[in-house]
Parts: sequence; C-alpha cells; structure tokens
Amino acid sequence: AQSVTQLGSHVSVSEGALVLLRCNYSSSVPPYLFWYVQYPNQGLQLLLKYTTGATLVKGINGFEAEFKKSETSFHLTKPSAHMSDAAEYFCAVSGGSNYKLTFGKGTLLTVNP
Amino acid sequence: NAGVTQTPKFRVLKTGQSMTLLCAQDMNHEYMYWYRQDPGMGLRLIHYSVGEGTTAKGEVPDGYNVSRLKKQNFLLGLESAAPSQTSVYFCASRQGGGPNQPQHFGDGTRLSIL
Repeated sequence: AQSVTQLGSHVSVSEGALVLLRCNYSSSVPPYLFWYVQYPNQGLQLLLKYTTGATLVKGINGFEAEFKKSETSFHLTKPSAHMSDAAEYFCAVSGGSNYKLTFGKGTLLTVNP
Repeated sequence: NAGVTQTPKFRVLKTGQSMTLLCAQDMNHEYMYWYRQDPGMGLRLIHYSVGEGTTAKGEVPDGYNVSRLKKQNFLLGLESAAPSQTSVYFCASRQGGGPNQPQHFGDGTRLSIL
C-alpha cells in the first residue's frame, strides 16, 4: 500500500520569498514520485517527477524537489515566489499494479504582493 | 495537439437522472483513468483501464460504470445520480512503460446534482 501526506493545506508567502511545500510518502515498493500543479478551473499539469538515482529533480517554472529516502520525503521548493505561482499543488506516488497514482490532499499556495 | 479532452465541461443534473462523461485522448495512450476531486480530499481514483476493452475498479467505484470500447475513448457513466456525486471529474491517460511515466490530465467536468 502507498500513501502521501502533504503537510499544510494552505501556505502563504510573499512575492520573492522562498516556497517550500512538504510531501512525505509511504510505499512498500520503490517509490515513483510526482508533483502536479493545478491552476484555477484547470486540470493538473506535471511539474516534475522523480527518477531513480537522482536526489534533486528540476521541474518547470523554476521548481525543484529533493528526494530523501531516509526521511521518506519529496519536498517541493522554489527560491523566489512569483504571483503566477499561486495555485494548488499535489504530490503523488505511483507504485504497485497498473501504476495507479495516489495523491496527497493538496496544498494551496497563496502569493502576496 | 489536443491531449486529453473532456466533455461536457459543466453539467447540472437532478437526483436520479443518468448521464455519461466522455474522455478522449489523441496520444495513443494505453492507460486511462477517471478521478473525482472534492475539497480537501485530493483526487480519488474511480475506475481505470489498462487497454482497449478492459476496465477495473479504483478507490471509489460505487455508483459509477465505465467503458473503453475504443482505445482513445473512456466513458464514465452515472446510472442514477445522487447529490453525493457532485464533484469535479478528471480524466487522465498515460502511455505504457515504467511507473515513472506521468499521467496527462484533461481540464475536468464540473458536475452538480440537485
């Protein structure tokens, strides 16, 4: 069985500040991890994915995530927030049969001017 | 390249009515999925398909049926709609290969059951 926990349902930052969105996972098999972003009234868009062997993963729009096996974490960061980053972010893990995704409950990111 | 297209985008139903949501993908993907998204719940898998002519239950399948008669289409049916099925429904597809292949999502169908 696999699960994802996103700490903090709502994160608020100032424009230009560091963005840190937390994700912890549980998986009985080697995890394949993803971060998706959802802008208002849109579908989910892939930000980045974890590939075995690389601990730091770079994605689109300046985001990156660090895989830490010892902490079972895959936190998402961006050095400097932009107003256009305001959206909901989902961490997901793929594993087991038929590569089904298990999603966290999401973190809504607000960027204040 | 349209990717994953969902129709309709919005719908309002009365309790007990039936309807079908259509998902079409033009990427020749093998796998297709239907999710529902509810506030504070993330996305939950309803049904999925690993190829033309196959379907399987996900996490929350009750009250829904699906069909995949053509590889590019995945239909989600509500036989007798209930208010608890008010939600945003997302379709996704992925190609075959390893578990690190991402899913590609449509823009969703917003469904209200009165």
